[in-house]
Amino acid sequence: SQQGEEDPQALSIQEGENATMNCSYKTSINNLQWYRQNSGRGLVHLILIRSNEREKHSGRLRVTLDTSKKSSSLLITASRAADTASYFCATDYRGSTLGRLYFGRGTQLTVWP
Amino acid sequence: NAGVTQTPKFQVLKTGQSMTLQCAQDMNHEYMSWYRQDPGMGLRLIHYSVGAGITDQGEVPNGYNVSRSTTEDFPLRLLSAAPSQTSVYFCASRPPRSGQGYEQYFGPGTRLTVT
Repeated sequence: SQQGEEDPQALSIQEGENATMNCSYKTSINNLQWYRQNSGRGLVHLILIRSNEREKHSGRLRVTLDTSKKSSSLLITASRAADTASYFCATDYRGSTLGRLYFGRGTQLTVWP
Repeated sequence: NAGVTQTPKFQVLKTGQSMTLQCAQDMNHEYMSWYRQDPGMGLRLIHYSVGAGITDQGEVPNGYNVSRSTTEDFPLRLLSAAPSQTSVYFCASRPPRSGQGYEQYFGPGTRLTVT
């Protein structure tokens, strides 16, 4: 399988704390993306990082990419209860058919008030 | 823009029945795809299309058919439903791939139960 794998599978924190999730993948990528899924809803795109980028920010989100380790991390700072959701990484592998994305199994984040 | 819409939201079928899950997008995206999501399995690609008249298989295509007669619509047909097809189905679309990358836009999903 060429899926990315998120770690941990589940994460439980208090409001105000930072949440860090990791994604590892197997072969060279064009870009890596993070998506959020609220319970019972579709996935929503959060951020895209290209293979030649090392870090990207969007509001309270910070994504890093280490292509030598084939890994990425998503940091959510000052978490809120509304951040409770599943988070997925998706990889666009070099040489994949027409930019197909491969999704991992996700990290379930629970933020307690 | 409505984005990506899917109907129905919920469906219960008996084994052997057929049905069509509808998907439409109003963003003029060429690329559309269908995924299924099962507990602990992430999203698995069923079929995808890179434009009207062009479709191809993903990683779990068996038991499903698709067609793409217009840019806007990409229906998914279950030919003879089986309990193993109980899942949540998501349709997604995206603009053409470019050097800048792209994001996928997802519909709200159809929750299908086959008894």
